[in-house]
Amino acid sequence: AQKVTQAQTEISVVEKEDVTLDCVYETRDTTYYLFWYKQPPSGELVFLIRRNSFDEQNEISGRYSWNFQKSTSSFNFTITASQVVDSAVYFCALSEALNDYKLSFGAGTTVTVRA
Amino acid sequence: EAQVTQNPRYLITVTGKKLTVTCSQNMNHEYMSWYRQDPGLGLRQIYYSMNVEVTDKGDVPEGYKVSRKEKRNFPLILESPSPNQTSLYFCATAGRGLNQPQHFGDGTRLSIL
Repeated sequence: AQKVTQAQTEISVVEKEDVTLDCVYETRDTTYYLFWYKQPPSGELVFLIRRNSFDEQNEISGRYSWNFQKSTSSFNFTITASQVVDSAVYFCALSEALNDYKLSFGAGTTVTVRA
Repeated sequence: EAQVTQNPRYLITVTGKKLTVTCSQNMNHEYMSWYRQDPGLGLRQIYYSMNVEVTDKGDVPEGYKVSRKEKRNFPLILESPSPNQTSLYFCATAGRGLNQPQHFGDGTRLSIL
């Protein structure tokens, strides 16, 4: 069974600090996909990134970056120079190729950025 | 504009009174799914549908029904709601292709008294 663990329940930082969100996953499948979603206070879920298990290259998109390490089954997310607008709940999720429409979510990490 | 529309957005009702939450998408996506979000548990899949007339149970299907008579619609039915179904519900869709990102509706907050 697939499983996603986000051990950090809440993180609070001051604006301009960097913040890293941890995500650890479990799967028996060799082909799988990892996702990050953002849920701002308004409540909608916003897709941020998808990464497949064969692509371990780190990715950067503006102030966001992702570090995928198969050796430790982790897919961590870093926000550089955080802003108040980054305050949200962030979810890590996993789907396996053999059951690709089943998306398993972590419990989420609430990030609060203080001005 | 690509949209996943859920109705209602908010509902307070009483135990045992049947209710339906509608979900409609305009992206011609094959896949649709329902999730519930509860504090500390993230999102959990209730039911999903791979195409018209094809539905299957997710992780927490008890107390829910779904139907997929048309490609664009995937209603969630609570025949006899109970307080433990008080939650935030999301409908999601995805297009054909391996592990496509799911697009979510804005959510429906249900309170069952």
